Amino acid sequence: AQSVTQPDIHITVSEGASLELRCNYSYGATPYLFWYVQSPGQGLQLLLKYFSGDTLVQGIKGFEAEFKRSQSSFNLRKPSVHWSDAAEYFCAVGAWGGDDKIIFGKGTRLHILP
Amino acid sequence: DAMVIQNPRYQVTQFGKPVTLSCSQTLNHNVMYWYQQKSSQAPKLLFHYYDKDFNNEADTPDNFQSRRPNTSFCFLDIRSPGLGDAAMYLCATSRDAGRVSQYFGPGTRLLVL
Repeated sequence: AQSVTQPDIHITVSEGASLELRCNYSYGATPYLFWYVQSPGQGLQLLLKYFSGDTLVQGIKGFEAEFKRSQSSFNLRKPSVHWSDAAEYFCAVGAWGGDDKIIFGKGTRLHILP
Repeated sequence: DAMVIQNPRYQVTQFGKPVTLSCSQTLNHNVMYWYQQKSSQAPKLLFHYYDKDFNNEADTPDNFQSRRPNTSFCFLDIRSPGLGDAAMYLCATSRDAGRVSQYFGPGTRLLVL
């Protein structure tokens, strides 16, 4: 069965600094991968997804993520964070081959210092 | 704009009093999902509908039921809410099953008194 690990529960960065949020997945076949963001009291918004092809994917709000099969990772990056990026970030993995559900990691809460 | 709508955004109910949460979508997606998300936790899938086919997760309590009367609407019924059912309930949709993205509504925050 697939699973997702987000090793960092909280991350604090200064506004304008670069950001990397870690995500490791476990799945026997080629996964499809997502990053979602959730602001307090809100639903989840899709930032980006990887299904196949180019391993560096661009998303909304200036985010990107890189799929590394050898490391079973799908880390999220942003070169310069803004105070509005403070939120909870969830990595998720779906199964290739028709399973119609995805599994979420436990999330990383991002704090931004002014 | 096409979207997933959840009503109400906040719901207060009493211990044991049945409650229904509503989700509608204008995306014309085939699949609708209900997730439960407790504080500082990942969303947990309760069940989903592929068109009219209902798929229940093995560990979803019998206290939780769902109805999908048409493509656009899906309801979550909690027959006898307990204090442990207080959570954010998220509705999501996807165009199809498998390798597709899910689109989430804003959620309904349920408080059980």
